[in-house]
Amino acid sequence: SAVISQKPSRDICQRGTSLTIQCQVDSQVTMMFWYRQQPGQSLTLIATANQGSEATYESGFVIDKFPISRPNLTFSTLTVSNMSPEDSSIYLCSVGSGTGGTGELFFGEGSRLTVL
Amino acid sequence: GEDVEQSLFLSVREGDSSVINCTYTDSSSTYLYWYKQEPGAGLQLLTYIFSNMDMKQDQRLTVLLNKKDKHLSLRIADTQTGDSAIYFCAGPKSRFGAGTRLTVKP
Repeated sequence: SAVISQKPSRDICQRGTSLTIQCQVDSQVTMMFWYRQQPGQSLTLIATANQGSEATYESGFVIDKFPISRPNLTFSTLTVSNMSPEDSSIYLCSVGSGTGGTGELFFGEGSRLTVL
Repeated sequence: GEDVEQSLFLSVREGDSSVINCTYTDSSSTYLYWYKQEPGAGLQLLTYIFSNMDMKQDQRLTVLLNKKDKHLSLRIADTQTGDSAIYFCAGPKSRFGAGTRLTVKP
């Protein structure tokens, strides 16, 4: 299993500002995933963050809006840029169980952002 | 359409069985998963099924997989109030359904 810590756990932000969410894992992992969980909507994959290469973004998400860093195998950040109220959501960091396992995902507790 | 689809709400009485259904479009996954999210918490893996299995039972939980119809279900026997949560079906490429909010009434 993996223990994932996210910061901040919650924040209230002003429209037009940017916020960076940090994700720390207690073990080295190849792939880290960033999800968005909007109220009453799907858990949506934003991007996959690989160490040493650019993140891979899902349809509907772009690097300019959600830049991601992955400086090493235990850490990643997601920035929500130029925020609007529509970005109010829970953002979740996730890692896989690695090769040879069942492929299950481990999640942080999420970062709840409210944009005014 | 969505890769993984679920109904959004289910309400049952304590002691009854709950059945949460899920359909998916991509059959390339080796495993299919059910995650549970309790209020204010992150998602945790509840159970999973290997794609070459039809059924998996784990205490009160039964997972049924119909590969032909690409249909996955989770049955919770003797549902308790502590089972109230959002249940997510997950399949290939880290895709999740919208989650089914299970409410258990005493």
